[in-house]
Amino acid sequence: DAMVIQNPRYQVTQFGKPVTLSCSQTLNHNVMYWYQQKSSQAPKLLFHYYDKDFNNEADTPDNFQSRRPNTSFCFLDIRSPGLGDAAMYLCATSRDGRKAEAFFGQGTRLTVV
Amino acid sequence: AQSVTQPDIHITVSEGASLELRCNYSYGATPYLFWYVQSPGQGLQLLLKYFSGDTLVQGIKGFEAEFKRSQSSFNLRKPSVHWSDAAEYFCAVGLWSGGGADGLTFGKGTHLIIQP
Repeated sequence: DAMVIQNPRYQVTQFGKPVTLSCSQTLNHNVMYWYQQKSSQAPKLLFHYYDKDFNNEADTPDNFQSRRPNTSFCFLDIRSPGLGDAAMYLCATSRDGRKAEAFFGQGTRLTVV
Repeated sequence: AQSVTQPDIHITVSEGASLELRCNYSYGATPYLFWYVQSPGQGLQLLLKYFSGDTLVQGIKGFEAEFKRSQSSFNLRKPSVHWSDAAEYFCAVGLWSGGGADGLTFGKGTHLIIQP
């Protein structure tokens, strides 16, 4: 009964080669978030979708994009991964964002070689 | 902008002993406050949350936290830790403006080590 599912759990990509990470949810939540967590650091919000409305954090690099084709799925696209993009990427959902807890997936560990 | 400070990077506690993890926030009003736990290689699990009302909140796994407005703190406590509590603990602040959802700002985390 996993509620927020991220695929794959581990992803190895080549420097500069586009990569897509996937997140799906069975909770029917309005909001989906993407966080980047580098080794031994706090998760950092990249962007989120409130329904179909996309909200980008001011300091998120243009190299990172996201798509949400429907309520259940959200994708993180890294157009040209650099070595500095190696991190754990966490997807989270919340019912409506206000006073609602965020449910996290298990994350995708991205390695750039 | 809001910020969260967890002053202890590592804490070592003996199994069965009590635990307190510190968290201070910086924000102009009362924020929404959370504690999450993360086991190695895993996502984050919510332990407890504070929005308003009673300043002592109970969470899962025997954890509790107390909101102190005067100290801008939201410290996490557990009376008796178990070896399975070894993990990374994150304090987080939520800020929602208007009708949208702005996500969470996390502290840098406290790594909890349990000694047998």
